[in-house]
Order: sequence, then C-alpha cells, then structure tokens
Amino acid sequence: GQSLEQPSEVTAVEGAIVQINCTYQTSGFYGLSWYQQHDGGAPTFLSYNALDGLEETGRFSSFLSRSDSYGYLLLQELQMKDSASYFCAYYQAGTALIFGKGTTLSVSS
Amino acid sequence: NAGVTQTPKFRVLKTGQSMTLLCAQDMNHEYMYWYRQDPGMGLRLIHYSVGEGTTAKGEVPDGYNVSRLKKQNFLLGLESAAPSQTSVYFCASHLGSSSYEQYFGPGTRLTVT
Repeated sequence: GQSLEQPSEVTAVEGAIVQINCTYQTSGFYGLSWYQQHDGGAPTFLSYNALDGLEETGRFSSFLSRSDSYGYLLLQELQMKDSASYFCAYYQAGTALIFGKGTTLSVSS
Repeated sequence: NAGVTQTPKFRVLKTGQSMTLLCAQDMNHEYMYWYRQDPGMGLRLIHYSVGEGTTAKGEVPDGYNVSRLKKQNFLLGLESAAPSQTSVYFCASHLGSSSYEQYFGPGTRLTVT
C-alpha cells in the first residue's frame, strides 16, 4: 500500500532541538515535502527533498534517505511560535500530493 | 497577487442540500487540488486537476464532484450533503511538474446538520 507515518505529538522547550520523523511506503517516489500549519490556518510549505541528504533553511532542516524510506524535519532553537502541526507529504505519480496525519509540536517556556 | 482564494469561508448546510465551493488562483498554476481536513486525520486529497479541463480522483472522492473549466478556477461540488462531510476544506495550487511547492487557500469551514 501507500502511506506515511509520523508521530502524533511532540513536546519540547524553547531553545531546544526537536526532530520529527516520517516513514513512507509508496511506489514511484519523487521526493518528500514538509508543511507547517498553525491552528486554524492554511498549511505553508517548509521544504522539499528530492535527493538523499540534508537540506537546511535557517532554523529548519530536512533530511531524506530513499533507501530507508525515511525522512525527518529538524527544528533548532525552538521558539514559541514554532508550536504548530507539521506534515510530511509525497507526490503520488508526480502529481497528487499525499499527506501524513501530522505531528503536533508543543513548545513550552 | 491574491494567491489562492476560497469562497465561501463558512457554510452551514442541511442534510441533502447541495452546494459548490469555489477556488481561484491568480498565479497561472497548472495543478489544483481539493483537500478535506478532519481532527486527527491530516489532509486528505479529494480530487485534483493537472490542467484546464482535466480532473482526477484523490484518496476520498466519494460524494464530491469537481470541474476545471477555466485554468484559474477549481470548483468542488457536494450534490447531497451528509453529516460525514462536515469538515474544513482546503484548496491548493501548484505551478506544475517543474515545481513542488503547493500554495493553500484559507479554507472553508462546512457544517452539515
């Protein structure tokens, strides 16, 4: 079948580092995307990994291992505003973006 | 640029009523999508379109129909609303095969009683 698995909840404190894992199962894999969604808002794009390795964008980094069907989103120097839901997603057949169920990150002071 | 807009923002329907949700984008994107979001279920793809005049089924297409008569618009129809269709509906668009970032609209909150 085709699926994405990620933890439902993660908690951390301000200034810490947190890693949100995502494993996937699909045929015709093109790459892994990550989106952020604040409560009640629209999802916004964070990153996309087409190739193995680490992509860094400011405090956020995303990693992909195609051989392990695994990726993660790394958030550094956590801030209260990072409290949100984070979704991994892949393009099915290169056209339809399929999302995981999301990970709720709670950052406390 | 307004980006992706959705109409209406809120709607309450009675079981059996019909309605159409409108999504519009002004970025000349080829691909457009409709998702529904329910608590704990993430975003589930209903239908999508890879170009004007084309549509395809997503993960949860039953009970919905779509049309893409113009490149900038993507309509989602509910012919006979059911309480199970109570959800938040998001539209998204995407430039095309050479890009990977999806842009989302603000969502439509639909309640079916």
